[in-house]
Amino acid sequence: ETGVTQTPRHLVMGMTNKKSLKCEQHLGHNAMYWYKQSAKKPLELMFVYSLEERVENNSVPSRFSPECPNSSHLFLHLHTLQPEDSALYLCASSPGGARADTQYFGPGTRLTVL
Amino acid sequence: AQSVTQPDIHITVSEGASLELRCNYSYGATPYLFWYVQSPGQGLQLLLKYFSGDTLVQGIKGFEAEFKRSQSSFNLRKPSVHWSDAAEYFCAVGRGNGMRFGAGTRLTVKP
Repeated sequence: ETGVTQTPRHLVMGMTNKKSLKCEQHLGHNAMYWYKQSAKKPLELMFVYSLEERVENNSVPSRFSPECPNSSHLFLHLHTLQPEDSALYLCASSPGGARADTQYFGPGTRLTVL
Repeated sequence: AQSVTQPDIHITVSEGASLELRCNYSYGATPYLFWYVQSPGQGLQLLLKYFSGDTLVQGIKGFEAEFKRSQSSFNLRKPSVHWSDAAEYFCAVGRGNGMRFGAGTRLTVKP
């Protein structure tokens, strides 16, 4: 599925580093999402943007900072992370705004925090 | 509150055998229901979805699912499993930022 791309695919960072994850969707959708997928846990919705406005922030620690400069791009800025933040971070998009239907996922960024 | 339960954490089937993965949901209104598949190191790929109409839904890769309102279930089936079907399968219910995912069922395929 090349409709949603994510870079980098793998990232290793120390707890004092600052890094950013990038997501780009080529589907003309209006909503974008960040999810965290940890081992043996259900997908956790982190942030939702609809038409570049943040519509949901599910009590995510401030060390995660999202940015949506336009409807095709979504970033997740990371700083002073903890080892328990190591996970697969998935980006998704859906048509027609945050309450529309099917979400399409990118391949994810595997993050390891040392 | 919306929730999704996938009762089976791990299922093993022989190649060529039939498959059924279970999904039960709790949702206040008519649900939107989805099945996704995730191969190792990859994102989630949509297999099929149900919004309304015919309760038997056909998807990609030969999968189908049946919505049973009386049982609050949306089980995924495939008549003959291929080795390439080995992956993690996720059921989801809801819409947009209200979507909820199950914990997943890992499928192993024996030769």
